Amino acid sequence: KAGVTQTPRYLIKTRGQQVTLSCSPISGHRSVSWYQQTPGQGLQFLFEYFSETQRNKGNFPGRFSGRQFSNSRSEMNVSTLELGDSALYLCASSGTSLADTQYFGPGTRLTVL
Amino acid sequence: GENVEQHPSTLSVQEGDSAVIKCTYSDSASNYFPWYKQELGKRPQLIIDIRSNVGEKKDQRIAVTLNKTAKHFSLHITETQPEDSAVYFCAASRGTALIFGKGTTLSVSS
Repeated sequence: KAGVTQTPRYLIKTRGQQVTLSCSPISGHRSVSWYQQTPGQGLQFLFEYFSETQRNKGNFPGRFSGRQFSNSRSEMNVSTLELGDSALYLCASSGTSLADTQYFGPGTRLTVL
Repeated sequence: GENVEQHPSTLSVQEGDSAVIKCTYSDSASNYFPWYKQELGKRPQLIIDIRSNVGEKKDQRIAVTLNKTAKHFSLHITETQPEDSAVYFCAASRGTALIFGKGTTLSVSS
């Protein structure tokens, strides 16, 4: 099976702009989780979608949002970008059970200038 | 909310030695504990995981132990090799989310 894919791989934006990142899960996987990775804070959970519904949410401001489509592909959006949003954004897909293994995509490197 | 502490933050060993990384978690409802390895510029890769109904799991040179009473779990790598050099993350489940430790940078010198 093809692995988790993410597009774009790199993005450069300026403060105040918004950005949309995309994630395609492994075929058959219905859960997609998003994580932010920074050198200072490590890997932090943003949110998780299952069957087009947000099932779990981390402690991030409302500027961070996401959605999932009927084919399980997911997007996350960050509005009004801040310098501190510069990070590697990783998505992970898993099956249907609550504790299924999560497989990560290669990530999108976002730089906010 | 769930909090995962990971120690040490850096670990340097000689090739052939063993390496041990320890994590503690706070949420007694956590029931799934994976370990990921992340090489520079690459995605995290699952190397081993353990569920709450098991105390120990082994896969070749890698083993994980879980003590639910004490809320801690550990990764053991035996006969380390230079290719084991990477950042290792532990995680504990919080529902469908994974809460990660801050990572351990393992350096194996030959």
